[in-house]
Amino acid sequence: GAVVSQHPSWVICKSGTSVKIECRSLDFQATTMFWYRQFPKQSLMLMATSNEGSKATYEQGVEKDKFLINHASLTLSTLTVTSAHPEDSSFYICSARDQLGPLGNQPQHFGDGTRLSIL
Amino acid sequence: DAKTTQPNSMESNEEEPVHLPCNHSTISGTDYIHWYRQLPSQGPEYVIHGLTSNVNNRMASLAIAEDRKSSTLILHRATLRDAAVYYCILRPRRDDKIIFGKGTRLHILP
Repeated sequence: GAVVSQHPSWVICKSGTSVKIECRSLDFQATTMFWYRQFPKQSLMLMATSNEGSKATYEQGVEKDKFLINHASLTLSTLTVTSAHPEDSSFYICSARDQLGPLGNQPQHFGDGTRLSIL
Repeated sequence: DAKTTQPNSMESNEEEPVHLPCNHSTISGTDYIHWYRQLPSQGPEYVIHGLTSNVNNRMASLAIAEDRKSSTLILHRATLRDAAVYYCILRPRRDDKIIFGKGTRLHILP
């Protein structure tokens, strides 16, 4: 079945570092991918919609200069957390669906997430 | 966005069927009903989806009320591996976003 691969699975780094997370669709093409953040014992919060070949669309309250999104190909989107601080520590998850097929009637496929810890 | 209402948590015994309810009284005629689940420390996993008719797959069954204002996810024989948070989500035909609610945390008792 369709698979979304996320890398790295976890990362620990110092405050002030920028961290890049990759999200790949392995056996399908995706013009749109989504990035979520999840804090412990909470639900997933949609951060932004990544659009292939154009600018990402950010949800209200998400800083676009803090969370840079690039969707350079139909199988790869990246999220860069710039100048990360301890409050950015969270579980980041991406998702995508096969671009072939009608919206709503296709499942979304999720990556296994990236656990980011900023010291 | 059309909203769904689910119980915060449920408990079931291993090897017994589980019925997870979801209310979506403001559903529109073109909204699909999707279910996802999230196991601990993993990304969500697609379970099943439907529009009007009941649906079955290898993981579960989805029973949709005739007026579509509610649905039930049925796990026919729960195992310990089914312990997860289950999310019922409405997906408009013209919108690709998935907005997650709080879901139902399912506990399976051995």
